[in-house]
Amino acid sequence: GAGVSQSPSNKVTEKGKDVELRCDPISGHTALYWYRQSLGQGLEFLIYFQGNSAPDKSGLPSDRFSAERTGGSVSTLTIQRTQQEDSAVYLCASSLAQGEKHFGDGTRLSIL
Amino acid sequence: AQSVTQLGSHVSVSEGALVLLRCNYSSSVPPYLFWYVQYPNQGLQLLLKYTSAATLVKGINGFEAEFKKSETSFHLTKPSAHMSDAAEYFCAVSDGNQGGKLIFGQGTELSVKP
Repeated sequence: GAGVSQSPSNKVTEKGKDVELRCDPISGHTALYWYRQSLGQGLEFLIYFQGNSAPDKSGLPSDRFSAERTGGSVSTLTIQRTQQEDSAVYLCASSLAQGEKHFGDGTRLSIL
Repeated sequence: AQSVTQLGSHVSVSEGALVLLRCNYSSSVPPYLFWYVQYPNQGLQLLLKYTSAATLVKGINGFEAEFKKSETSFHLTKPSAHMSDAAEYFCAVSDGNQGGKLIFGQGTELSVKP
């Protein structure tokens, strides 16, 4: 069956532009997570959705970062006014409530 | 709060040799612990998990890990390395329950020499 799908797989943009990253979780998975993977920082938790609600958004690094989830399915992570330090791989994972997390292949974001 | 420390950012072994990747955790509650593998340009794949059922956990691809509460460790081992094991390995602890957010270690890159 289909796994977690993330798009785009690669994104290059200029500093100051806004970007949207998309995550399509496995059908029926109620929980959705965003992580950021960067050199020197490892894997950092960003935000967690249960259904369409985000009970834990403690990892969002600044107010330039936001995320939403609609219909209990697709999630979009938006970064406004991108900075060079935002360059990273953004990983999405989904799971059933207490189940194994399944990760997508990530979006590699490069800020010029 | 939970945290994870992986000792050694890079480990190199010869094909056929023992693989040992070290992980120590800190948790104020009984932990749920995980090992993930990441191949280049891919997401993370679960190797195995500890959920308090048994201290010796067997996973995929011949890997296993032993939970040692007295040492706060969850080291990953494989008796005989294969070239295809070359990847980055992450130890993680769950934030409060099996389904909670994961707190990851910094990762260990495993190289396998022929």
